[in-house]
Amino acid sequence: NAGVTQTPKFQVLKTGQSMTLQCAQDMNHEYMSWYRQDPGMGLRLIHYSVGAGITDQGEVPNGYNVSRSTTEDFPLRLLSAAPSQTSVYFCASRGWEGYNEQFFGPGTRLTVL
Amino acid sequence: KQEVTQIPAALSVPEGENLVLNCSFTDSAIYNLQWFRQDPGKGLTSLLLIQSSQREQTSGRLNASLDKSSGRSTLYIAASQPGDSATYLCAVGTGNQFYFGTGTSLTVIP
Repeated sequence: NAGVTQTPKFQVLKTGQSMTLQCAQDMNHEYMSWYRQDPGMGLRLIHYSVGAGITDQGEVPNGYNVSRSTTEDFPLRLLSAAPSQTSVYFCASRGWEGYNEQFFGPGTRLTVL
Repeated sequence: KQEVTQIPAALSVPEGENLVLNCSFTDSAIYNLQWFRQDPGKGLTSLLLIQSSQREQTSGRLNASLDKSSGRSTLYIAASQPGDSATYLCAVGTGNQFYFGTGTSLTVIP
């Protein structure tokens, strides 16, 4: 099992550019989520999904879009990048029930100039 | 909104010492609490998961306790080693949302 994988590892964007961060898991987990990690702020939930076709907002959803067309993949889209979106982004997954353990990907370090 | 606090923010101990990291949360209506380790520039590695009905979990030199009514969890590390140096994060699960503390940065001095 590869677990949770994320691409790319690093990315530099200019303000206004768009891009998609990829996340995939091979554990057949229903629940997937995206977090951002900023110094002194801890990890904050951006969006999550409880299954294919179902997504919902987390704590900091503005500026990000998600969709879930398959169980395995949960891409995060930045439509018009802003310097405030400079951060490290983590994808995570777990089984559907709320008591299940979360598994994290290695992260994507994004810089917006 | 759930608030999660970790104290201290940084801790430095000599090798071999036993130590305790603290995590507190404001809303006791939780599903579980998970402790993670994060090395610089890396992702999160799960250490221990405690369900809301449990009092503690153990894995090797690690022991995590949970007191839901008082909104507290502790991570006990026995006989610390330089390889334990990392940032330790706690996360409180409330169904579909997870709330993280800002972490405790641990340095174990050889």
